[in-house]
Amino acid sequence: EVQLVQSGAEAKKPGESLKISCQGSGYSFTSHWIAWVRQMPGKGLEWMGIIYPGDSDTRYSPSFRGQVTISADKSINTAYLQWSSLKASDTAMYFCARQTSMIDSSFDYWGQGTLVTVSS
Amino acid sequence: QSVLTQPPSASGTPGQRVTISCSGSSSNIGSNTVNWYQQLPGTAPKLLIYSNDQRPSGVPDRFSGSKSGTSASLAISGLQSEDEAEYYCATWGDSLNVIFGGGTKLTVL
Repeated sequence: EVQLVQSGAEAKKPGESLKISCQGSGYSFTSHWIAWVRQMPGKGLEWMGIIYPGDSDTRYSPSFRGQVTISADKSINTAYLQWSSLKASDTAMYFCARQTSMIDSSFDYWGQGTLVTVSS
Repeated sequence: QSVLTQPPSASGTPGQRVTISCSGSSSNIGSNTVNWYQQLPGTAPKLLIYSNDQRPSGVPDRFSGSKSGTSASLAISGLQSEDEAEYYCATWGDSLNVIFGGGTKLTVL
């Protein structure tokens, strides 16, 4: 059974750093793109970027380039999303999802989401 | 404001057929396939329709998708109370990114 399991909710202060994770199982993790999707409170879905764990090829949405870093450790089937200096506007639910190809918008499996709250 | 335009809300009574539209342009929907997602309250999105009109295994045939030119539609027939959710269209954009529609909240009256 394909599963993407994300790390738990985080409460942080502005300026702090954070790294959240998404561990895949039940399929060849290195052979499928993993995307990160943001959902701000009461808002819609926004694609942040993707990584191919097999070779760490990474692409970012123009809206998120330079704001976050996407990485992966294929030895433990885990993808990451990290911030070096959080802002209150980073408060959101973050989902990882398996993207079926690099230039497609089809996400066939999703993680349960990680809620990130940034507040002083 | 998303470049893919969806109506913010839709509604129907049990058993009815409802349609949700998704309007784009030649550089996104006009050039790429469209996928649809269902997000039940408090849960992760779920792939409902892929490649314009294909249903993943396990999705009831009450759900169907279509695309024509720069627009796409999701149709739900035999509406049920458990269909009450937010629905999103998505496609590949010309900025080399995935773009989502703003979402449509479906209410079953």
